[in-house]
Amino acid sequence: EAGVVQSPRYKIIEKKQPVAFWCNPISGHNTLYWYRQNLGQGPELLIRYENEEAVDDSQLPKDRFSAERLKGVDSTLKIQPAELGDSAVYLCASSLGFPGAFFGQGTRLTVV
Amino acid sequence: EDQVTQSPEALRLQEGESSSLNCSYTVSGLRGLFWYRQDPGKGPEFLFTLYSAGEEKEKERLKATLTKKESFLHITAPKPEDSATYLCAVVVSGNQFYFGTGTSLTVIP
Repeated sequence: EAGVVQSPRYKIIEKKQPVAFWCNPISGHNTLYWYRQNLGQGPELLIRYENEEAVDDSQLPKDRFSAERLKGVDSTLKIQPAELGDSAVYLCASSLGFPGAFFGQGTRLTVV
Repeated sequence: EDQVTQSPEALRLQEGESSSLNCSYTVSGLRGLFWYRQDPGKGPEFLFTLYSAGEEKEKERLKATLTKKESFLHITAPKPEDSATYLCAVVVSGNQFYFGTGTSLTVIP
């Protein structure tokens, strides 16, 4: 069974440029998470979807970050414009309700 | 405020030297506690789920236990390939995940 697939794996952009990350969850998983992980830290939740609905986006910086989950399957996370402090690994995870989530390999973003 | 704290931040062990990692939590409405392993440059890999105090799970050299306030990940006779960062996460009502900052384990041959 295919796991959570994320692309790209790495992205280097200049500050003020836009960037987008894509996630394909495990087939049938209705819950999808986007996390940000800074070096030496645990993942921090940005947004959680139940099917197509964003049920928890309280930690998403809405002035520059946006996300969507079309048809309750794939999801895209966008940053516009990117800032130096956005450099981090962006992780996507999915689960079938409860229990634990399965993570993708992540996208390492470097903003220069 | 919901909080998850892991200790120690870093641990160096000789191969075969058993030890334990701690995850303490103060949350309301705990639905479960998860342990993950994370290798450099990779996403977290699911290890265990614990649901209630007194529960234990084992996998090879790893054993996870849970009390009402903390969880331990016991590593018996570790090998160099066990070197990784170990993350714990708690899930509370509403399926919200809270992660700790992890313990970086290095096992020296």
